[in-house]
Order: sequence, then C-alpha cells, then structure tokens
Amino acid sequence: GAGVSQSPSNKVTEKGKDVELRCDPISGHTALYWYRQSLGQGLEFLIYFQGNSAPDKSGLPSDRFSAERTGGSVSTLTIQRTQQEDSAVYLCASSDRGNQPQHFGDGTRLSIL
Amino acid sequence: QKEVEQNSGPLSVPEGAIASLNCTYSDRGSQSFFWYRQYSGKSPELIMSIYSNGDKEDGRFTAQLNKASQYVSLLIRDSQPSDSATYLCAVNSNTGNQFYFGTGTSLTVIP
Repeated sequence: GAGVSQSPSNKVTEKGKDVELRCDPISGHTALYWYRQSLGQGLEFLIYFQGNSAPDKSGLPSDRFSAERTGGSVSTLTIQRTQQEDSAVYLCASSDRGNQPQHFGDGTRLSIL
Repeated sequence: QKEVEQNSGPLSVPEGAIASLNCTYSDRGSQSFFWYRQYSGKSPELIMSIYSNGDKEDGRFTAQLNKASQYVSLLIRDSQPSDSATYLCAVNSNTGNQFYFGTGTSLTVIP
C-alpha cells in the first residue's frame, strides 16, 4: 500500500475485554514500531520489530500487552483484560531500516468504558 | 535525564516571522535526527531528516545539527497559520534500533 494502514480506526470496548489492533506497514519496510499517545501527551514507545530478529519489548507497560508480527509484515497488538488507563491512540510506524525515518499510520483510538 | 528534551511551549509567532524550535539529546552515539509535525488529532508527519552536522534546507524549513553540543533545531521561515501544530524531535539510539521522541513543542502562528 501507499502508507501504513491501521485498523480499526476507532475501538470502544468495556473494561476487562481483550482487544486486537492491526498494523499493515509500508511494503518492503523491515522495521515496525508501536507507540501509545494519551491525550495531550508525547509518544510512548511500546515495541519494535526489525526483520526476523527478536522484538524489543522494553516499552510494553504490563504483561497484558503483547504483539506479534507475522511473516515480517502485518503486526497485531493485543491488550488483554483492558483497563480504563489503556485508553489512548495507538500508533504504528514503519521504516526501511532501523535508523531511517518512520512513517506513521493514522492510529487506532481506543476507548475503554 | 530524558533522552530527548524539547521546550513544550507554547510558542507563538506572528505570521511571516521565523519560528525556532530546539531539541537536545543525551545519546552521543545518535546518528539520525528527525523532525515531525503533528496536527491536533492527527498522526505525526515527517518533515525533515538530518544526519550530518550543519544546516539542511527544504523549502521554508531548515534543520540544524550540532553533534558536539548535542542539539538539533528546526527553523520555519515565513511562518504561516497552517504551520500551527506540535513539532516532535526524534533521535535514534546508539544501536540504531530505537527512536526517542521528545514530548513536542506546540507552535501557534498568529495571523
């Protein structure tokens, strides 16, 4: 595709439910990042994938959060047993290589009731 | 100490003036530096990349990098109301595996 695609664009769910957020990076990009941005705040790094290497999970806030990247392309971020503090915009970005500029998707706005 | 620091602002400049945005970073091994613009409710958009000391110009935008002093800046000439946004500075880690983003500087250009 022409850019990074994220789905859904909006997600409203009840506290305690599991959610899955999807990211389809720019074709050929080997690096994929997930960030979280709360209202009026900066970007919070969550996880980084580079090719077939083990992901850098150092930013995941708790064990309720996990992510995978299948076939070096599409990535899914899963949040189990959602809490109200998980409400935020979840942004995915991809880049050609680890030190190249990142290109962001439009994000998924997650609201936990 | 944060990896990347920016003045949160808000910074207000009149239309037509030069807006100057500054960023300092702590990792001396960083090699790649980027400026992103983020409009309210939108995702960050890349506007400048810089890798070498000195100035890099692209239209009304000039990025300046000084690795010895560990700062990178963005100048916006002939500022327009459409430049009103939050500007994020991003710096890659020494290993090149991760980026550190500043919290952003909010810019308002007053017509």
